[in-house]
Amino acid sequence: NAGVTQTPKFRVLKTGQSMTLLCAQDMNHEYMYWYRQDPGMGLRLIHYSVGEGTTAKGEVPDGYNVSRLKKQNFLLGLESAAPSQTSVYFCASSYGLAGAYEQFFGPGTRLTVL
Amino acid sequence: TQLLEQSPQFLSIQEGENLTVYCNSSSVFSSLQWYRQEPGEGPVLLVTVVTGGEVKKLKRLTFQFGDARKDSSLHITAAQPGDTGLYLCAVTLGGNAGNMLTFGGGTRLMVKP
Repeated sequence: NAGVTQTPKFRVLKTGQSMTLLCAQDMNHEYMYWYRQDPGMGLRLIHYSVGEGTTAKGEVPDGYNVSRLKKQNFLLGLESAAPSQTSVYFCASSYGLAGAYEQFFGPGTRLTVL
Repeated sequence: TQLLEQSPQFLSIQEGENLTVYCNSSSVFSSLQWYRQEPGEGPVLLVTVVTGGEVKKLKRLTFQFGDARKDSSLHITAAQPGDTGLYLCAVTLGGNAGNMLTFGGGTRLMVKP
């Protein structure tokens, strides 16, 4: 099993450009999450999904959109990138509720917005 | 103000030393998890604690959940260079927020050979 994979691994954008980050998991997990990690701030939840076709806002959703059209994929979109969105983005998945079940993380995408 | 305060933020020690890192809050949690993150990788779960006063051991790592379920500590005995990484605590508040984990800022540990 590959676990949780993310593409791309690195990306540099100019302000105002758009892009989509792809997350895929092969563990048949219902729950999927997108986090961003900034120095000294741990991980902050952007959006999450509790099943195919459902999404919900996390702690810092502004400027991002998500879609879960297939159970194994969770896409994170930036419509108009801003320098404040420079960060490392992690996708995670779990079998059940956060805290009760282990979250499995991908290797991350390092995004720089100039 | 962050929900979870982790201390210290940075810790550099020699191989063989013992250390304790802390995760504190004024809120009560239904569960608390500890993750370790190595450079260039995503976090990996170490342990989940759910009962106040609970102590769990994982080889040289000892985790304790406070009696009131507001804080936790991680003690490492005889640290090794392989313990180097970012240690993160994470909690769920339960109820309507039960689907979300909230992370602390982390303790960055470096163990020198």
